[in-house]
Amino acid sequence: DGGITQSPKYLFRKEGQNVTLSCEQNLNHDAMYWYRQDPGQGLRLIYYSQIVNDFQKGDIAEGYSVSREKKESFPLTVTSAQKNPTAFYLCASSIISTGELFFGEGSRLTVL
Amino acid sequence: QKEVEQNSGPLSVPEGAIASLNCTYSDRGSQSFFWYRQYSGKSPELIMSIYSNGDKEDGRFTAQLNKASQYVSLLIRDSQPSDSATYLCAVRAGANSKLTFGKGITLSVRP
Repeated sequence: DGGITQSPKYLFRKEGQNVTLSCEQNLNHDAMYWYRQDPGQGLRLIYYSQIVNDFQKGDIAEGYSVSREKKESFPLTVTSAQKNPTAFYLCASSIISTGELFFGEGSRLTVL
Repeated sequence: QKEVEQNSGPLSVPEGAIASLNCTYSDRGSQSFFWYRQYSGKSPELIMSIYSNGDKEDGRFTAQLNKASQYVSLLIRDSQPSDSATYLCAVRAGANSKLTFGKGITLSVRP
């Protein structure tokens, strides 16, 4: 089955710790994205990548880092510099020409 | 700053009625428009994409685009309780541009 796999689904972190969220896709999509969603809010773009070894900051990149070493993988690290990291994190991929995003199931991060 | 605005909601309709969801956008150069459905606690799923003026129908769903007035709408005919969800409008300016999402509108379909 083609799709996007995010892990873990739920994650608890103590303040001051970095955590890495995994995102893997087997749709052969060139572009991958990370969004953050807070209760009652729309989606806010953290980082995106349209090609291997290249990525761009989105609207709220501070306190986050990414890498794109393989076409299939786009992990997101939430660093201790992110002041309010508790949120629902969504990874997505797309064919650049259509722009249609397909989402993984999400990772819910809670900072204790 | 590109903006995408949706009615604040929530919207409540009886089962079998037509639900009308509206979205306006600020960037006149926008070229691609999308509607996503998000059930509570789940990730968004693509319902419709529309790229040219007019109507696009897919089953009970119709997307309507009016670029001159800068709005895109989603009509859901014969609404079902299973349609109860948050609907997100998203807009893309150009082929290599990122999507801008509205905050979403919550639809409740009363049995």
